[in-house]
Amino acid sequence: GENVEQHPSTLSVQEGDSAVIKCTYSDSASNYFPWYKQELGKRPQLIIDIRSNVGEKKDQRIAVTLNKTAKHFSLHITETQPEDSAVYFCAARRRGSSNTGKLIFGQGTTLQVKP
Amino acid sequence: DAGVTQSPTHLIKTRGQQVTLRCSPKSGHDTVSWYQQALGQGPQFIFQYYEEEERQRGNFPDRFSGHQFPNYSSELNVNALLLGDSALYLCASSPGQGGWKTQYFGPGTRLLVL
Repeated sequence: GENVEQHPSTLSVQEGDSAVIKCTYSDSASNYFPWYKQELGKRPQLIIDIRSNVGEKKDQRIAVTLNKTAKHFSLHITETQPEDSAVYFCAARRRGSSNTGKLIFGQGTTLQVKP
Repeated sequence: DAGVTQSPTHLIKTRGQQVTLRCSPKSGHDTVSWYQQALGQGPQFIFQYYEEEERQRGNFPDRFSGHQFPNYSSELNVNALLLGDSALYLCASSPGQGGWKTQYFGPGTRLLVL
């Protein structure tokens, strides 16, 4: 079945340190992997995504890596700031004509950046 | 350019009642997906609408139904509410189905069933 496992569930870092969140997916047909940030009481917002035809993507302090063989992908945040504190969700979506965009989400990681 | 909007923001219902939630997609988007997010969990896919038809459905009972209008807005209906239906209901829109299309989320409707 379709499943995305996300670890850790909580992560606490000092301001300026790096944070890494890892996800593993079960469906080998998955080909699109977005990451969403959700602040308390707010909507999930896309922060970065990666397609299965690339292994890494960067956007300023944020990067995502994908290992298709091992079926896992990771979010890397460098030089963390207090405003990075939020819940982060990974997700996966499978390719195919039957797919209409169903995202399978991980359980979320609560990131706390201490000043 | 307005993003995805949802109404109402909060709702309190009792068991057995019915509820209708509404979503207006981002300008230029024609596809609407609905997700249920229980407290402390990731969003769970309910279904997706495109060209006024339900295109894909997650593991939710028939009590959950929806509709899409010609202007691409959408409604989520839940009948015979259960306590376990208490959650944040998120609507997401995208410009077309599947593929690489990014989904943008609305602020959600928080439903409490007593």
